[in-house]
Amino acid sequence: EAGVAQSPRYKIIEKRQSVAFWCNPISGHATLYWYQQILGQGPKLLIQFQNNGVVDDSQLPKDRFSAERLKGVDSTLKIQPAKLEDSAVYLCASSFSLMQQFFGPGTRLTVL
Amino acid sequence: GIQVEQSPPDLILQEGANSTLRCNFSDSVNNLQWFHQNPWGQLINLFYIPSGTKQNGRLSATTVATERYSLLYISSSQTTDSGVYFCAVSGGGADGLTFGKGTHLIIQP
Repeated sequence: EAGVAQSPRYKIIEKRQSVAFWCNPISGHATLYWYQQILGQGPKLLIQFQNNGVVDDSQLPKDRFSAERLKGVDSTLKIQPAKLEDSAVYLCASSFSLMQQFFGPGTRLTVL
Repeated sequence: GIQVEQSPPDLILQEGANSTLRCNFSDSVNNLQWFHQNPWGQLINLFYIPSGTKQNGRLSATTVATERYSLLYISSSQTTDSGVYFCAVSGGGADGLTFGKGTHLIIQP
C-alpha cells in the first residue's frame, strides 16, 4: 500500500512570493490534515478535511494561507504572500475513520 | 485545548541500554499516537494507543487514560533508534493531533 505522497520535497522562495504544496493521501482515507512543523517544535495542525469539506481550520492564518480538496482526494495548500516566519516543514497526513494518522515526507519551505 | 508534556526533553544513552519516555496530557483523549521522527524528518508511526498496552519488538507502550499519561519503552537500544520521539493526542471533539515538544534521543555506539 502506497503511503502519503507530497511534492515538492523542498522549496526556496523570497518573501512576498507565492507557493503551493500538493498532497495525495493513502487510497480510501477520507480524512486529510495539513500540519506545520517549525524547526525544534512538534507539528501544529493547520486544517482538517473530511472528504472535500473543511472540518477544522481554526489555526490556519486565513489572511495568507488557503487550502482545498476539490474531489475529496488530493489537496493543495497555498501561501500568498509568504513571510519569513513561514519557513517550516509542511506535513500532510491522512486517516481512515478518524483513527491512526499516517504522515507524508513533508515539504521543507525556506523563505528568504 | 489539550496540553501535552513530554519528558525528558533530551536523553543520551549507550547502545544496549533501556529507556522510558513519558507523555502527560491535560484532558480526556480519544486518540494517542507515538511517532519517531527520523533524521530526514519522516514521522514514523510507532503506536496508536489511546488506552492499554501494546508491544512491537523492542518497543512497547502503555497508556493509562484515567491518569492521563502514556509511557514508551525502548529496550536494548540501537543507534538507529536515535531521533525525536513525539507523543500526539486528540480529544474533546477535535480530531487533529496536538503534539508534545518531543524527546530527543541519542544512542551512542
